[in-house]
Amino acid sequence: QVQLVESGGGVVQPGGSLRLSCAASGFTFSTYAMHWVRQAPGKGLQWVAAMSYDESHTYYADSVKGRFTISRDNSKNMLYLQMNSLRVEDTAVYHCAKDPATMGQGVILYNWFDPWGQGTLVTVSS
Amino acid sequence: EIVMTQSPATLSVSPGERATLSCRASQSVSSKLTWYQQKPGQAPRLLIYGASTRATGIPARFSGSGSGTEFTLTISSLQSEDFAVYYCQQHNDWPLTFGGGTKVEIK
Repeated sequence: QVQLVESGGGVVQPGGSLRLSCAASGFTFSTYAMHWVRQAPGKGLQWVAAMSYDESHTYYADSVKGRFTISRDNSKNMLYLQMNSLRVEDTAVYHCAKDPATMGQGVILYNWFDPWGQGTLVTVSS
Repeated sequence: EIVMTQSPATLSVSPGERATLSCRASQSVSSKLTWYQQKPGQAPRLLIYGASTRATGIPARFSGSGSGTEFTLTISSLQSEDFAVYYCQQHNDWPLTFGGGTKVEIK
């Protein structure tokens, strides 16, 4: 079955950097678009970033644009989120999620999420 | 940015009763609306996409309706496993945005 496992979270000071990873299995990762979505403790969901299957299209929430970079390594079935200039308000559980859009459909992204990984907690605090 | 507003924030329902959750968009999102269920300590799970299409494996007691700016998720007869937080999300425009959630609790 499809499995997404995030790692790389931790405690970092404001202004610091962190790189999150998402290991995908159970599907042909290289043919699907992917997203990062975050959830602050006790709060709702916020979409962060998206990438098409072939890396040709990337999209970011305004709150992270210029600070975060989504990337992928299709040879390793891995999705990444490089987070720089971290702020206290970036504290959240970060989930990777699979988009239904796949190669050959003529659609880059459908922009809903199924399934989600369990997430990795990022805490930005001094 | 399209703002998604869910109501009520909390819904108290007895098992076996019907639950009706609402989601409103600040501008039209056509039928590009999804619903997710999240239980404590778990990742969200896709329930409905395209406003009314149930995801694979989702029981028929879950149904979605609406278009434009007004959407509804109905759970026809609440089971114990349905008590959770439900989120709507628009996928019509960037940035993708979620509603604040409706917590369905046991009455």
